Formats: sequence, C-alpha cells, structure tokens
Amino acid sequence: SAVISQKPSRDICQRGTSLTIQCQVDSQVTMMFWYRQQPGQSLTLIATANQGSEATYESGFVIDKFPISRPNLTFSTLTVSNMSPEDSSIYLCSVEDRNRGGFGYTFGSGTRLTVV
Amino acid sequence: AQSVTQLDSHVSVSEGTPVLLRCNYSSSYSPSLFWYVQHPNKGLQLLLKYTSAATLVKGINGFEAEFKKSETSFHLTKPSAHMSDAAEYFCVVSYNTDKLIFGTGTRLQVFP
Repeated sequence: SAVISQKPSRDICQRGTSLTIQCQVDSQVTMMFWYRQQPGQSLTLIATANQGSEATYESGFVIDKFPISRPNLTFSTLTVSNMSPEDSSIYLCSVEDRNRGGFGYTFGSGTRLTVV
Repeated sequence: AQSVTQLDSHVSVSEGTPVLLRCNYSSSYSPSLFWYVQHPNKGLQLLLKYTSAATLVKGINGFEAEFKKSETSFHLTKPSAHMSDAAEYFCVVSYNTDKLIFGTGTRLQVFP
C-alpha cells in the first residue's frame, strides 16, 4: 500500500499568516485529495488535485484561501492563506490506493493547525 | 443528496462484550462502503471495505461489516471488544466517483 509522508505534523500560527502543508507519496498516484477535520467533527473534502491541472474545489472552499499545487505524481501542497482561528483544524491528504486488491484510500497522518 | 449517517455519536461497551456501530447510506447508486478508525492523535486506518463482492466483509482486528441493500445499512461489528478498540470510527461511502463522503463518526469507549 502507498505510504504518505505529511509535513508538518502540527503548527501554531499567527492569524493573518499562511501555512503550506506538504504531502509526499512513495508511489505515483493520479489524484490526491485534501481534507479538513475541524475539532470534534468529521472529515470534509476540500479539493481534489490532479497532476498538471487546476485542483477541483468542493462547495465552500476557494482557491484563494486554499491554493493547491501538484507539480508531479508523488507530491502536493495545500496552503492555508490569511489564517484566522476558524481555520484551526486537522488537515489531511489522501490518495487512492489501488494496491489494496480493489480500491481503498490511504491517508497521511495529518497536520494539526492551531491559529492564535 | 448522497449521504451517509452514523446513528450513534457515542457507544460504550465493556471489554469482552460485542460491538455494534451503525451506519446507513443513501441509495441513489450502488455504493462502495468503508469503515475507517482514528485513534487519538493518529491517522486514519482502513478497517474494511465493500465494493460489490461478498456482502459480509471481514476486516482487520476482528471487525466485520455486512452490506444489507434492503436496509441500506453497513453496520460494523466485533464479537468481543478490546481496550485497544477505543477510538473514533468513520463510515465512508463513495458513489462511482473518487469522492469520499464521511459520516459524522462514532466514538467507541471500552470499559474494563
């Protein structure tokens, strides 16, 4: 199965600043997904990132706030811009893992963001 | 709208007793269904998945789930709970797309 390295694991940031989260996969994948998990909540899909094209954002999420890069088939970044305390969440990346004898999704260990 | 509902936000059991975590999905299309577990301060781990093969799916750590189309359910069970099973469990559905829809989660507590 795919192995995802996500960095940083946690950060405390000042409001108004930006944080870039990185995900590195040990194999080539077509699509990478970015999720947000607000405190005590479930996961919500932010966007889907394909290599070589613009990310597709879900309702309620915009590119200016959450710009995404996907420069190759093993790497992606999510930036949380102009942060406010409401952005305090866990952010996770995910890939579809077709090596699981069908399909499943592997998740990074998450980035715990606190905005003060 | 496509959705998944976890009927219990919290479930408490004693160690050694059975576990039942309930999940229902909307029935617009044939779904793929997953259960994920999230231990405190840990990442998400896939427990099991249903993708239109056998309706009774066996997963890791003794968990299993049964797909019941007539009831649009995919409940997660385990015959005997262990202290290490205490975690948050998410029922997840996908409808012929790559988009995953997460349930709101069920927090499982296991008492000695």
